[in-house]
Amino acid sequence: EIVMTQSPATLSVSPGERATLSCRASQTISRNLAWYQQKPGQAPRLLIDDASTRATGIPDRFSGSGSGTDFTLTISSLQSEDSAIYYCQQYNSWPPITFGGGTKVEIK
Amino acid sequence: EVQLLESGGGFVQPGGSLRLSCTGSGFSFSSLAMSWVRQAPGKGLEWVSAVSASGATTYYAESVRGRFTISRDNSQITLYLQMNSLRGDDTAVYYCVKGGGSFPGHAFDIWGQGSMVTVSS
Repeated sequence: EIVMTQSPATLSVSPGERATLSCRASQTISRNLAWYQQKPGQAPRLLIDDASTRATGIPDRFSGSGSGTDFTLTISSLQSEDSAIYYCQQYNSWPPITFGGGTKVEIK
Repeated sequence: EVQLLESGGGFVQPGGSLRLSCTGSGFSFSSLAMSWVRQAPGKGLEWVSAVSASGATTYYAESVRGRFTISRDNSQITLYLQMNSLRGDDTAVYYCVKGGGSFPGHAFDIWGQGSMVTVSS
C-alpha cells in the first residue's frame, strides 16, 4: 500500500500571501496525483489531477507540481474562501487508492 | 448538470446491515468506474471500494473486504454498497464518487453529497 504523507498539518497564512502544501508518497507514483479541497459540512472538490492539471472551474491561483514521490499544491494569493482542508490522493498503484491525512489552511 | 445522489444511510446496531444507493445523472454512467469513499467524524478520507464500468470487476479496502459488496445496475444508472456485519468503526459519511475512466485509477471529479451511516448500540 502506498502511504501518502502531507505537511504541515496546519498552515496559517495571511490573505494575499502564498500557501505551499506538500505531499509525499512512500513509493513513486509518476504524476498520478490529485488534490482536493474540503470545506466544513461539504463534500470534497477536485482541484488538480495528474499532478498539475486544474479541474474545470478552479481558479488559476491554485497550481500543482511534482512527480515521482514529492508533490506541491500552491495557492498563489490566499483568499478568505480558501480556508479549508486539502487532501492529496494517489491513483497510480491500486487497490487501495490512498489519501494523505490532510492539511488545514487557516486565514491569519 | 453532472450529479450523484445518494440514499440509504441511517442508524444501525453493530452486526447489522445497510445498503447505500447512488444515482448518477448528466454523464455516461455505464462508461465510467465508480467508487465509495468514507470519512469518519473529524477524520480524513478513506477509499472503501470501486467497481469497473461494466460491473464485472470489483475492488475493496482491506478494512471492509468480506463484509461490504459493491455493485451497479447500469440500466438504472445506480451504484450500490451493501454493508454487512457493521462495526462501530464503520461510522462515517459515505460518498459516492465518479472517476475519469472505465477502471479505477483516475481522480474523483464528481462527489455525491454524502450519506451518514451510524453504527451504535
